[in-house]
Amino acid sequence: GQNIDQPTEMTATEGAIVQINCTYQTSGFNGLFWYQQHAGEAPTFLSYNVLDGLEEKGRFSSFLSRSKGYSYLLLKELQMKDSASYLCAVREDGNNRLAFGKGNQVVVIP
Amino acid sequence: NAGVTQTPKFRVLKTGQSMTLLCAQDMNHEYMYWYRQDPGMGLRLIHYSVGEGTTAKGEVPDGYNVSRLKKQNFLLGLESAAPSQTSVYFCASSYSGGGGVHQPQHFGDGTRLSIL
Repeated sequence: GQNIDQPTEMTATEGAIVQINCTYQTSGFNGLFWYQQHAGEAPTFLSYNVLDGLEEKGRFSSFLSRSKGYSYLLLKELQMKDSASYLCAVREDGNNRLAFGKGNQVVVIP
Repeated sequence: NAGVTQTPKFRVLKTGQSMTLLCAQDMNHEYMYWYRQDPGMGLRLIHYSVGEGTTAKGEVPDGYNVSRLKKQNFLLGLESAAPSQTSVYFCASSYSGGGGVHQPQHFGDGTRLSIL
């Protein structure tokens, strides 16, 4: 079985920092992905973690703790265009299948 | 830079009708996937394929069939559409993954399907 939990919605102010959490319980683990999805559009890849620790990519960083089944995505210097749903997905096996969480809707306000 | 292309983008069907959704990718990816996305449910895997001529069931396969006759195409069929199949359908593709290798899935723009 698989269980991937994310908070459903959060609001943050332009220029601020927001942390989006993801906890998972899956039958296997072979990496964790974060995707961004704007309303009415396709998900787009943001970041990938397979080892414990922090991966930084510009304004976005992602952290993984495999022992705790926990990851977070950190968005810095928030911009209005960052208003979107952020999807956490676990790769369980070598077939590259992903199990997705329900997504966290981030609303950026001026 | 086409990437993953889905056709059609929108469709309205009556209950009991059949249709095929087409997904085409030009990145020479081995793996392809069909998902559905419903409000409050997240993306759920319907079927997937790890190579030309192969298909496998995902999390929610009932009521759908798939075919992968050519490496670049992955077709999703609804034989007898039901209102419960009203959803947004996304196709994705990737290189083979696993083993700690970073191989993200690339998504098409989706097909919005309504069954009346």
